[in-house]
Amino acid sequence: KQEVTQIPAALSVPEGENLVLNCSFTDSAIYNLQWFRQDPGKGLTSLLLIQSSQREQTSGRLNASLDKSSGRSTLYIAASQPGDSATYLCAVAYSGAGSYQLTFGKGTKLSVIP
Amino acid sequence: NAGVTQTPKFRVLKTGQSMTLLCAQDMNHEYMYWYRQDPGMGLRLIHYSVGEGTTAKGEVPDGYNVSRLKKQNFLLGLESAAPSQTSVYFCASSVRDSFYEQYFGPGTRLTVT
Repeated sequence: KQEVTQIPAALSVPEGENLVLNCSFTDSAIYNLQWFRQDPGKGLTSLLLIQSSQREQTSGRLNASLDKSSGRSTLYIAASQPGDSATYLCAVAYSGAGSYQLTFGKGTKLSVIP
Repeated sequence: NAGVTQTPKFRVLKTGQSMTLLCAQDMNHEYMYWYRQDPGMGLRLIHYSVGEGTTAKGEVPDGYNVSRLKKQNFLLGLESAAPSQTSVYFCASSVRDSFYEQYFGPGTRLTVT
């Protein structure tokens, strides 16, 4: 059974700092990996999707990398801002019955201090 | 486009009552999913659908039923609610052409007393 772990569970950084969030998974037979953002009391917003054949994806100040062989992904946030404060979730997609299902990590709660 | 919408946003039920949660998407996605999110447990898949008229069980299906009579709608039913079903429920949808990237609704907060 696929297991996804995110470390640390919580992170507090001063504004302007670059930071890295970590995600690890136990089964390398994944289809893709998604990073989501969740604000308190809200739904999930997809940030980046990395296909299994890709090594990284970039969107603005965000860069996600994927190393399937070692079962790891990182989300790099450059020049952090207070608006980046949220919980970040990592999820890996695997093949299910006729579809691709996601297994989620428990998230990293990020606080960016002004 | 509204994306994925969920009705209702909040609900309080007494033990043994029944209710239906509605998920609607306007993106013509084939695949739809129901998750629950609990503190310390993360998101877990309840049921999913790969197309109109089809449903399948996820990781935690017990106590729930689903139906997908129309492509744009996915209903989650609780026939006899239990306190253990107190949770936040999220619906999501995806399409093969976007590598099954999942788009989520805003959630329904359900409390069973």
